[in-house]
This record gives sequence, C-alpha cells and structure tokens, in this order.
Amino acid sequence: AQSVTQLGSHVSVSEGALVLLRCNYSSSVPPYLFWYVQYPNQGLQLLLKYTSAATLVKGINGFEAEFKKSETSFHLTKPSAHMRDAAEYFCAVSAIFGNEKLTFGTGTRLTIIP
Amino acid sequence: EPEVTQTPSHQVTQMGQEVILRCVPISNHLYFYWYRQILGQKVEFLVSFYNNEISEKSEIFDDQFSVERPDGSNFTLKIRSTKLEDSAMYFCASRGDRGQGGELFFGEGSRLTVL
Repeated sequence: AQSVTQLGSHVSVSEGALVLLRCNYSSSVPPYLFWYVQYPNQGLQLLLKYTSAATLVKGINGFEAEFKKSETSFHLTKPSAHMRDAAEYFCAVSAIFGNEKLTFGTGTRLTIIP
Repeated sequence: EPEVTQTPSHQVTQMGQEVILRCVPISNHLYFYWYRQILGQKVEFLVSFYNNEISEKSEIFDDQFSVERPDGSNFTLKIRSTKLEDSAMYFCASRGDRGQGGELFFGEGSRLTVL
C-alpha cells in the first residue's frame, strides 16, 4: 500500500520568496513520485516526476523536487515565487510495478502575497 | 500536444437520475482511470481499466458505478442512480505503456452537481 502526506494545507509566500511544499511518502515497493498542479477551475497538470533516475528532478515553471529515500520525502521547491504560481499542488505516488494507479495527497493551496 | 478530453464540463442532475460522463483518452494509451474530487477534498481513485476490463476499483466504486469503452476511443463512467454525495469533479486519465514512467495524463474534469 502507498500513501503520501502533505504537510500544510495552506502555504503563503511573498512574491519573489522561496516556495517550499512538503511531501512525505510511504510505499512498500520502489515508488514513482509526482507533483501535479491544479489552477482554479482547471484539471491536473503534471509539474514533475521522479522515476528512479536522478534524485533531483526539474519540472515546468521553475519548480524542482528532490527525492530523499532516507527521509521518504519529495519536497517541491521554487527559488522565487510568482503570482501565477498561486494554485493547489498535489503530491502523488505510484508503484513501479503493478497497476500503477496514483495515490494523491490532500493537497497544498499556495497563496502568493504581492 | 495530445490531450485527454472530457464531456460534459458541467452537468446538473436530480437525485436518482442516471449520469454518463464521457472521456476520450490519448489515442495510443492503454490504461484508463477515473478519479473524483469532492469540493475542497483530495483527488480520490475510483477505478482503473485495462484490456477492456476493470483492473482495480476503490471502495467508492460500488454497484452504482460502471465503466466501459464502447467503441475503442471513448471511455465512459456511468452512475446509475445519483446521490447527493456523488456531487464532485470527475477526472478521467490515461497512460501509455509501463515504460513511460507511470505518468497519468488528466482531462479538465466534469463537474457533476446532484440536486
């Protein structure tokens, strides 16, 4: 079984400040890990994914995440927040083998303060 | 860029009515999924579908729900007799072969409102 925990349902940062969204996972098998973004009234868009290659993954819109097996974490960061980053962010996990369905976290709403 | 398309974008229905939500997955994809998101809550897995049969379903996916791929392109979710608690955004997703690293491509969602 797999699960993800996202710490902080709401995060507010000032424009230009560092964005850090936390995700910890639990998986009995080697995981794939994903960050998806959901803008208001839109679907889910993939930001980045970890698939057992490089542990530091770069995604779209300047986001990146680092897979740390020892900490079972996959935190999402962006050096400088922009107003357009305001959205809901979901961390998700799937197994490398088997059905590979995604299990999502509860999401973190990111607010950017002008 | 290929994309998953869903119709309708929004449907309002009366409790007890049947609803069919439609999805056109990316054409060469083999795995298909339905997820739902109740307002303010997390995205929940409903069902996965491969090789014309359900491969996994959650406890949410009870006898009121069914899926089919009637014509090789569409992938539908049917709710036989809607309840108030079925009000949610329903997302369809598809995936290619296992070798593509497990990424799911999501549609824009169908918002279902049950009155």
